[in-house]
Amino acid sequence: GAVVSQHPSWVICKSGTSVKIECRSLDFQATTMFWYRQFPKQSLMLMATSNEGSKATYEQGVEKDKFLINHASLTLSTLTVTSAHPEDSSFYICSAVAGPYEQYFGPGTRLTVT
Amino acid sequence: GNSVTQMEGPVTLSEEAFLTINCTYTATGYPSLFWYVQYPGEGLQLLLKATKADDKGSNKGFEATYRKETTSFHLEKGSVQVSDSAVYFCALSWRGSQGNLIFGKGTKLSVKP
Repeated sequence: GAVVSQHPSWVICKSGTSVKIECRSLDFQATTMFWYRQFPKQSLMLMATSNEGSKATYEQGVEKDKFLINHASLTLSTLTVTSAHPEDSSFYICSAVAGPYEQYFGPGTRLTVT
Repeated sequence: GNSVTQMEGPVTLSEEAFLTINCTYTATGYPSLFWYVQYPGEGLQLLLKATKADDKGSNKGFEATYRKETTSFHLEKGSVQVSDSAVYFCALSWRGSQGNLIFGKGTKLSVKP
């Protein structure tokens, strides 16, 4: 199947700094990518929908100025956590849509804010 | 709104045992239903799907039938293997969405030899 990568897989940053997470579709183009957040023993919660060439659509309760999403090409979307705080520590997962009912997930990025 | 409820784990079974993981949903209209599997250290992978009522999705010995009358999509496997140990997520998407999914909380399955 299609492959989606995320980088980095694991990052520790200090409170107040910003962190960028990349999501790439390696062998297909994706007009739409999604960003999810997963808390321990919890489900994946959709944060935002990223569409190539347009502004991201954020879910209710997600601060768009804190979680900046850029989908600059058909194979790359980035999530930047700005002014990170310990409560932003989580597992962030992206997915890319290859077609109807075809959605491929990245392996996730674990963010720890100290 | 749309939601998915699946049985909480963890579930521990012996090899060759029968597996059922319950999943029920609430949705307006006619959603599509999915089971995803997350092996340790890996991303979610689509296990099977069903896009309309009475459809049966199947893959790798796993099956699930889209039951509109009971709003359920239970996952079953007749004989589990140690390699099936993973976290299983039930999910739905709906017509008009861009494909974004609503997930259940996940069920961790451990299969012992």
